[in-house]
Amino acid sequence: NAGVTQTPKFQVLKTGQSMTLQCAQDMNHNSMYWYRQDPGMGLRLIYYSASEGTTDKGEVPNGYNVSRLNKREFSLRLESAAPSQTSVYFCASSGLSKSYEQYFGPGTRLTVT
Amino acid sequence: SQQGEEDPQALSIQEGENATMNCSYKTSINNLQWYRQNSGRGLVHLILIRSNEREKHSGRLRVTLDTSKKSSSLLITASRAADTASYFCAPVFGNEKLTFGTGTRLTIIP
Repeated sequence: NAGVTQTPKFQVLKTGQSMTLQCAQDMNHNSMYWYRQDPGMGLRLIYYSASEGTTDKGEVPNGYNVSRLNKREFSLRLESAAPSQTSVYFCASSGLSKSYEQYFGPGTRLTVT
Repeated sequence: SQQGEEDPQALSIQEGENATMNCSYKTSINNLQWYRQNSGRGLVHLILIRSNEREKHSGRLRVTLDTSKKSSSLLITASRAADTASYFCAPVFGNEKLTFGTGTRLTIIP
């Protein structure tokens, strides 16, 4: 089991460029999440997906779009990157139990210049 | 905000000592979870305590929950250098989404 995987690990973008962050889990989890973490801060929820085919906004959704491609994959797209989106992005998933324990990927470190 | 708030923000102790960090929250919870984040890595789930539990143990970890005070504490006994990390509490309020505070940054001095 690889758990939660994310690609790429690092990315540098210029302002205005677009990119998609990929996330996949092999634990048959229903729910998946995208967070961002800025220096000295906790994680803030960008979007989440409670099941295949559904997505909902989190605390900081502006400037992002998501796609729940299937049960395994949940991608995050930046259509027009801005320096304020420089951050570390984490994907997480949670399973069938009602305890909502989450499993995190290793993160993508994104810099927008 | 429904997030938990960890205290202290930073803690440095000698290896072998015990480390205690606290979490406070504002509304009734379903359960409360603690996570660890090593530098540059993703969060790792440590322990979950349900709202009807008062104490839970896992190896060198002990978590307590006081729902009347809306607070929880995480005790790490006999600390090791490898325990150096940030620790986050995540109260779960019944709507599935976790919210994270800014964490306690723990440094173990060899």
